[in-house]
Amino acid sequence: GNSVTQMEGPVTLSEEAFLTINCTYTATGYPSLFWYVQYPGEGLQLLLKATKADDKGSNKGFEATYRKETTSFHLEKGSVQVSDSAVYFCALLSAYSGAGSYQLTFGKGTKLSVIP
Amino acid sequence: SAVISQKPSRDICQRGTSLTIQCQVDSQVTMMFWYRQQPGQSLTLIATANQGSEATYESGFVIDKFPISRPNLTFSTLTVSNMSPEDSSIYLCSVGVVASGRTDTQYFGPGTRLTVL
Repeated sequence: GNSVTQMEGPVTLSEEAFLTINCTYTATGYPSLFWYVQYPGEGLQLLLKATKADDKGSNKGFEATYRKETTSFHLEKGSVQVSDSAVYFCALLSAYSGAGSYQLTFGKGTKLSVIP
Repeated sequence: SAVISQKPSRDICQRGTSLTIQCQVDSQVTMMFWYRQQPGQSLTLIATANQGSEATYESGFVIDKFPISRPNLTFSTLTVSNMSPEDSSIYLCSVGVVASGRTDTQYFGPGTRLTVL
């Protein structure tokens, strides 16, 4: 079955530090890959996505590149801010059952805290 | 994209009672989903609710406990029945948006924070 593995948290960084959150996946076929962010007390927001190999998703200074050869989709940001403190979820979307159904599979989430 | 609203945003309920959560989308969508997020955990899919058909439940979730309605393409409800403290979670509505003939992206509502005493 499909699975997503992301680095364990929590991660604590100082403001303006470089961020990497690792994400690897296992899936059949050609999944789409996503990063969602959950700010304290809120629902999930789509941060970025990539739908095929070598695509780079980007938003709000965050980037992630779909690497099929390493089955990875690591999230990066060059300079984090206090407002980036949140839980980040890596996810993949792939078809299953062959009947037009699909499934979104989540990683366990990584909590990021950015301190001034 | 899709804009999703949920009601209520939070509630505190007594053991043994039921709560119905509403989900409204700003556009017509075929596929709607209900998730549960227990404290400090990732999301778990409860069921898929497509308009015009019975909801499909994931392993560990049953219709008697989590009945779902999907009366049209923009609205759904999830009821948490006969609640116990173990049902204290965030419940999230989600929709699938189709592009190029396939489901492209899934969007989430703000969630309903349920505490059962």
